[in-house]
This record gives sequence, structure tokens and C-alpha cells, in this order.
Amino acid sequence: AQKITQTQPGMFVQEKEAVTLDCTYDTSDPSYGLFWYKQPSSGEMIFLIYQGSYDQQNATEGRYSLNFQKARKSANLVISASQLGDSAMYFCAMRGVQGAQKLVFGQGTRLTINP
Amino acid sequence: GAVVSQHPSRVICKSGTSVKIECRSLDFQATTMFWYRQFPKQSLMLMATSNEGSKATYEQGVEKDKFLINHASLTLSTLTVTSAHPEDSSFYICSAFTSGQYNEQFFGPGTRLTVL
Repeated sequence: AQKITQTQPGMFVQEKEAVTLDCTYDTSDPSYGLFWYKQPSSGEMIFLIYQGSYDQQNATEGRYSLNFQKARKSANLVISASQLGDSAMYFCAMRGVQGAQKLVFGQGTRLTINP
Repeated sequence: GAVVSQHPSRVICKSGTSVKIECRSLDFQATTMFWYRQFPKQSLMLMATSNEGSKATYEQGVEKDKFLINHASLTLSTLTVTSAHPEDSSFYICSAFTSGQYNEQFFGPGTRLTVL
């Protein structure tokens, strides 16, 4: 079975600072994908970044980067130069080979950016 | 990017009535769609996988007779909550899978259901 763990229920960061949101996972699949989604108060799920288990380099998308440490089974999201609009819930999710495209989500982290 | 819509965005109904929620992929065809439920301050929980032209696959613990799913076309899946009760009040989100750069799921904006 696949499992995603996000141990930070809430994070508070000053505007313009960098923030790291933690995500650890557990799976027996040899191949898997890791996703990060942002959910603002409006409720929609916004795709941020993807890391494949066989990717050699850590994924980056603008201000978002993924610190992928395969041996430690962690896939932390790093947001650089945080902005007020980054305040939202952030979910880490995993898709495995056996899951038939299904996503398993972590508990989420509520990020609050303070001015 | 791929766009998924949901209708309605909000619905309030009386206990015992049935409610239908539509999920549409607007600019792509989706043979597979997913339905999630999210209670306040909780994560998304997968309810079922909707496959075009075949029966949906429900996750353990989800009542298939209560949550009817129909995926009649490549762009439309519907979730019907039958005989709704207050405990069914939740945020329902659909997603559609398409083979893109990351083979990711694209999510609809969600439907907030309140059962009185």
C-alpha cells in the first residue's frame, strides 16, 4: 500500500522568505510519481510540480523546487521568495504503477505567509 | 492546459433527496475520471474511479448504491448522491486523467454539498 505523510499541519513564514514543506512517502512500487498541489480557500486543486522516481535531477518550476531524496523517501517542496498569495493548503500526492493512475494524498500543510 | 468543470459549484438540499454532480473535461477526452470527497480541514479521499463505458470502481468503504457514478461519454462523468443525509455534506471534487507531460490529473473546481 502507498502512504504519504505530511507532518506539518501548519507553517507560518514571513513574506519573501523561503519555506520548505515536508513530505515522506512509502511504497513498494519500483516506479512512482510524486506531485505537489496547492489548494487555496476557493477549493480548486492547482498542480505545482512533479517528480518521477527515476528522474535524475530534482524538479523545478519557477519559484517551486522539489528536494527529492529517494533513499530517505522524502519529497519536500521548497518555495522561494514567498508571496502573500502563496497562503493556502499544500498537498503532497503519489501515483504508483499498481495504482492505475490513482493518487494518494497526504494530510496537507496549511501555509500562511505573513506580511 | 486541460480544463475540467463541475456543476453545480454549490448545492443545498433536504435530507432524503438525491443530488447529481456533473464533471466535464472541456478540451480533452478522458477515459478515466476520479471522484474525491474532502471534509473540512481534511485531505482528499478517493471515492471511486470512473471509466467511460464501464462500471465505476469504488474504494473500500464507499457505498456504490449511495454514490452512483455514470461515465457515459469521454467528456462527462456524473456522481449522484442518493437519499442524501447531513453526514454526506462535504466538498466533492472530480479529476480527469490525460496522458500529458506528467500524466497528471486535472481537477475540477469542486462542488460543495450541504444537506439540511
